[in-house]
Formats: sequence, structure tokens, C-alpha cells
Amino acid sequence: EVQLVESGGGLVQPGGSLRLSCAASGFTFSTYAMSWVRQAPGKGLEWVSAISGSGGSTYYADSVKGRFTISRDNSKNTLYLQMNSLRAEDTALYFCASPTVAGSGRLDFWGQGSLVTVSS
Amino acid sequence: QSALTQPPSASGSPGQSVTISCTGTSSDVGGYNYVSWYQQRPGKAPTLMIYEVTKRPSGVPDRFSGSKSGNTASLTVSGLQAEDEADYYCSSYGGSNNPYVFGTGTKVTVL
Repeated sequence: EVQLVESGGGLVQPGGSLRLSCAASGFTFSTYAMSWVRQAPGKGLEWVSAISGSGGSTYYADSVKGRFTISRDNSKNTLYLQMNSLRAEDTALYFCASPTVAGSGRLDFWGQGSLVTVSS
Repeated sequence: QSALTQPPSASGSPGQSVTISCTGTSSDVGGYNYVSWYQQRPGKAPTLMIYEVTKRPSGVPDRFSGSKSGNTASLTVSGLQAEDEADYYCSSYGGSNNPYVFGTGTKVTVL
């Protein structure tokens, strides 16, 4: 059974940093691209960032480019999102998600999310 | 990276059908046959209901169907059931630098 478990969320002041983790199990992690998707309270879904299975290719939404960094450790089956220069508008539930087919526009598996609150 | 446009709400009585539209551009919905639909119940993660415009993952009831015409995709839920009450989001592939363009979301209410 595929499982994605996020951790690392919390309360952080504007301008601060936070690193999210997503522990994966139940599939061959290194062969799958991974993404982070966020959802602000009461709002819709927003794709944040994606990374290829090898980690060699990374992609970012314009809203986080230059501030967030996605990475992965295939030896630990773990996905990361380093978030710097955080803003109030980054407050959201952050999901890690995975497609079974890269480049298909689908996300088959989702974690339960990790809440990030940016506030003074 | 503009969001795809969905109606804020839709509703129907049990047993009826409801159709949700999802309008994008030729750079996303109209340019690829990679439209997906997700169901999200309160406090839960999204669940994939439709992928590649018309395909259903294993376990998704055949009451759920998808279609596309030009820059607009649609999700139809036939034979509405109380358990179908949820938020629904469309998503389209928009190129390697924009792999997931999400819709604004539609709240479906079963009357």
C-alpha cells in the first residue's frame, strides 16, 4: 500500500524558514516524480513544485521560485521542501503527491498534509 | 499560471446528474489530453477520480465520467448519491514547467 506522510509544518514568523519532509513507502520511490501541492485555508489547490525521480530536474510555480527548494533522498525514500523567506500568503496545508506516470498531469497518491502557518 | 475556471457550486437531488465545467486555454486544457478530476471531502486529501480526460482509476464508480471539447473539460456525476457531496477540482497538464494547473474548485451539494 502506498503511503505518503508529511511532517515539519508549524508556526513561523514572516521572513523565516521551514523544511517539510514527506516519507514514502509502498512503492519504488526513486522511479517516481514527486510534487508538492498546497491549499490555503478555505481555498483551492495550488501546485508548488515538482522533482523528477532522479532529482536531476526540478520545477517551481512562479509564486515560490527563488524562495523554495525541492529535493529528495532516494536512499531514505524521502521528499523535502525547503521554504525560505516565508510570507503570510504561504500559509497553507502542504500535500506531497505522486503520479504513477510522469508527465501525465495526474496525481494518484496524496499524503494527508502538513500545516504551515506564517504569522507574527 | 492562471487557474482553470470552474463554477463555485453545483447541486442536484439524489439520483439526478450534475455536470461541472472546467475552462482553460490552448496552453493547458486545449493543448493536452491530460485533464484530471479530484474529489476532496472536508478535512481530507484529494482523491483522483478521472485522468486523461475520460479514464477512471480502479475503484472509482462508473457514475463518474469525463469529457473535453476545445478548451473546456467537464465532469459528470450520474445517479447522485449523498456520498458524492464534496469539492471537486479539475487539473490539466500545462507543459513541463507547469505540470499541474488546478481549477478553482466546485462545491457539489446533494439536495
